[in-house]
Amino acid sequence: AQKITQTQPGMFVQEKEAVTLDCTYDTSDQSYGLFWYKQPSSGEMIFLIYQGSYDEQNATEGRYSLNFQKARKSANLVISASQLGDSAMYFCAMRDQSGSARQLTFGSGTQLTVLP
Amino acid sequence: DAEITQSPRHKITETGRQVTLACHQTWNHNNMFWYRQDLGHGLRLIHYSYGVQDTNKGEVSDGYSVSRSNTEDLPLTLESAASSQTSVYFCASSDGPGFIEAFFGQGTRLTVV
Repeated sequence: AQKITQTQPGMFVQEKEAVTLDCTYDTSDQSYGLFWYKQPSSGEMIFLIYQGSYDEQNATEGRYSLNFQKARKSANLVISASQLGDSAMYFCAMRDQSGSARQLTFGSGTQLTVLP
Repeated sequence: DAEITQSPRHKITETGRQVTLACHQTWNHNNMFWYRQDLGHGLRLIHYSYGVQDTNKGEVSDGYSVSRSNTEDLPLTLESAASSQTSVYFCASSDGPGFIEAFFGQGTRLTVV
């Protein structure tokens, strides 16, 4: 079974600074995908970034990057130059890609607050 | 534009009543999922479907059922609503086994009193 752990229930960061949101995972699968989603106070789930287990380079999408350390089973999200609009709940998720399973398993989330 | 919509957005119901939450997607995706979101638990999978007439139980399926009679819709039914089912419910869809992004509905806030 897959498990995602996010150990930071809440984080604060000063505007324009970088912040790292932690995510560790547990799986016996060799092929898997790791995802980060953002949930603002309005409630919708917004896909941010994806990393495949066989990808050698860390994924980047604009100000978002995924610090993937396979041996440590961690997939931390780094947000550079934080903006007030980054204040939201952030979820790490994973999916088995070696079999037929297509559902995402989510962590409990980290509430990020960006301070002006 | 293609989209995924949930209805209603908010619902209050009484304990013991049957409730159905609708999910409709126009992406023509084969895969559809229902999750519930509770504080401290993130999103947990209730049921999922990989195509018409296919349904599968997820992590927290007790007290819920789904049916898939067409590609576009996956309604979630609470057979006899309980206070423990007060939650925010999300429907999602995705395309094929190699998908990168799953698309989520806006969520339905259900309160069972």
